[in-house]
Amino acid sequence: AQSVTQLDSHVSVSEGTPVLLRCNYSSSYSPSLFWYVQHPNKGLQLLLKYTSAATLVKGINGFEAEFKKSETSFHLTKPSAHMSDAAEYFCVVRPITGNQFYFGTGTSLTVIP
Amino acid sequence: GAVVSQHPSWVICKSGTSVKIECRSLDFQATTMFWYRQFPKQSLMLMATSNEGSKATYEQGVEKDKFLINHASLTLSTLTVTSAHPEDSSFYICSARDRLAGEETQYFGPGTRLLVL
Repeated sequence: AQSVTQLDSHVSVSEGTPVLLRCNYSSSYSPSLFWYVQHPNKGLQLLLKYTSAATLVKGINGFEAEFKKSETSFHLTKPSAHMSDAAEYFCVVRPITGNQFYFGTGTSLTVIP
Repeated sequence: GAVVSQHPSWVICKSGTSVKIECRSLDFQATTMFWYRQFPKQSLMLMATSNEGSKATYEQGVEKDKFLINHASLTLSTLTVTSAHPEDSSFYICSARDRLAGEETQYFGPGTRLLVL
């Protein structure tokens, strides 16, 4: 069975400080992993994805994530938060077979000026 | 980048009425679209997979007669919530797969918030 756990429902950081949004997954086989961001009243936007290539994945807007198979983790990081990063972030796993995307419950990121 | 729109963005209706939600891919063709439902503070749950020109595939536990899906063209899929009840109140999100891109690529709409009174 597949599942995704986002360990923090809410994260608050000061502008200019690092961001860490945690995600753990369970999957029978090597899955594809994604991070999406959702700003208010906007569609989900793909930040980055891991599809069995390099374990350190760089995405848009300075975000990156590292796939750690031994820890079944795919944490999202950014060295320096901007005010515009405030949004809801979803970790998503897609098993090797099938269409379905499995979503985490989301992490709401607040950036304090 | 690819854009998916949904209409309406929010709707309030009386119990027992039907509500239609549209999902459009604006600048690409989508042979496959997906409908999700999201409850507050919960994950997006896949309801059904909609394939252009064929019947939708529903996930276990989703009533196909309750949630009618039509994918009549390469750029439009509709979800109709029939005889809506308060428990159908939720946030409905669609996504579309660009048929020219890989299977990994899904583009999401902004969602439709449904409130049934």
